[in-house]
Amino acid sequence: GAVVSQHPSWVICKSGTSVKIECRSLDFQATTMFWYRQFPKQSLMLMATSNEGSKATYEQGVEKDKFLINHASLTLSTLTVTSAHPEDSSFYICSASRGSQPQHFGDGTRLSIL
Amino acid sequence: AQTVTQSQPEMSVQEAETVTLSCTYDTSESDYYLFWYKQPPSRQMILVIRQEAYKQQNATENRFSVNFQKAAKSFSLKISDSQLGDAAMYFCAYRSASAGGTSYGKLTFGQGTILTVHP
Repeated sequence: GAVVSQHPSWVICKSGTSVKIECRSLDFQATTMFWYRQFPKQSLMLMATSNEGSKATYEQGVEKDKFLINHASLTLSTLTVTSAHPEDSSFYICSASRGSQPQHFGDGTRLSIL
Repeated sequence: AQTVTQSQPEMSVQEAETVTLSCTYDTSESDYYLFWYKQPPSRQMILVIRQEAYKQQNATENRFSVNFQKAAKSFSLKISDSQLGDAAMYFCAYRSASAGGTSYGKLTFGQGTILTVHP
């Protein structure tokens, strides 16, 4: 099946730093990528939808200046958490899809802000 | 807007037995997709089964099958011959089949059901 690679899988950093998470579709060209946030034992919360070459569409309540999304190519999208604080600590998951095909998920990134 | 509801926060089943996870949804659309995803402790999201709304036949994947009741907006997942490896959090998800727009392909997830399998 389709493979989506997400990197890093776990990152710990100090409060105030920025963290970049990469999401790559390895064996298909993804027209759309999605970024989710998930707290323990809770559902996935969609943060934004990213289409190649255009600005991301953010869900209500998600700060676009805090969570910068770039989708520069059909195989790569990045999420940058700017000036991260402890409340940004969470599990972030990306997914990629093409047309009507199901979303394929990355393995997620555990972000811990000290 | 569409909503997906999973009313069972936790379920348990004995190994080799059968368990059914419930899911209801609300939509005004006639064409859409429904999914069940499994998230084991590794937190990887795994697609279990997919159903197209225009298909009356219930989808089946080996030990996993669904009971799709379009009029009732119900989409339950049945796991037969449960195995220890089935222990996970299960999410029901909805996706519109309408092409185009910035939300194309967007999934709406239910709250999830934690399934425990007892040996």
